[in-house]
Amino acid sequence: KQEVTQIPAALSVPEGENLVLNCSFTDSAIYNLQWFRQDPGKGLTSLLLIQSSQREQTSGRLNASLDKSSGRSTLYIAASQPGDSATYLCAVIISGAQKLVFGQGTRLTINP
Amino acid sequence: DTGVSQDPRHKITKRGQNVTFRCDPISEHNRLYWYRQTLGQGPEFLTYFQNEAQLEKSRLLSDRFSAERPKGSFSTLEIQRTEQGDSAMYLCASSLVGSYNEQFFGPGTRLTVL
Repeated sequence: KQEVTQIPAALSVPEGENLVLNCSFTDSAIYNLQWFRQDPGKGLTSLLLIQSSQREQTSGRLNASLDKSSGRSTLYIAASQPGDSATYLCAVIISGAQKLVFGQGTRLTINP
Repeated sequence: DTGVSQDPRHKITKRGQNVTFRCDPISEHNRLYWYRQTLGQGPEFLTYFQNEAQLEKSRLLSDRFSAERPKGSFSTLEIQRTEQGDSAMYLCASSLVGSYNEQFFGPGTRLTVL
């Protein structure tokens, strides 16, 4: 059974810092990995999708990496801003399946 | 904006009542998913459709839950005889076959069972 873990559960940093969020998964036979942002009481916003054959994806100040063999992904946020405060979720799709399996998320607070 | 929409956004009901939620996917998307999220947890998969066919159901989807996608467009999720443990955010997502299954989520329906 695929399990996804995100550490830390919560993170608070001052504005302007670069930071890394971690995601690990137990079954390396994944089809893709997706990072999402969720604001309180809202739905999920897709940030980045990394195909299993890719090593990283970038969008603006965000960079996500994938190491399938070690079962790890990281989300790097450069020059953090208070508007980045949210919960960040990673999710994987196992090869041959269609459903996303989510971690519990990292609640990020950027202090002005 | 032609993203995924869900209705209602909030629903408060009494234990034992039936509730129905609606999801309208992105118009050209042929896959539609339902997930449930409880406070402080990541979403958990409930079921998905490809066009009108329901292809997978989670063990979380007890016999009190039923989902339909009658014409391969919008979907409904019905919960019969609601229980307090059904209180959660119900999220709908859609994707396009051949797009690496990138899933786009709606705003969710928050269910509170009293």
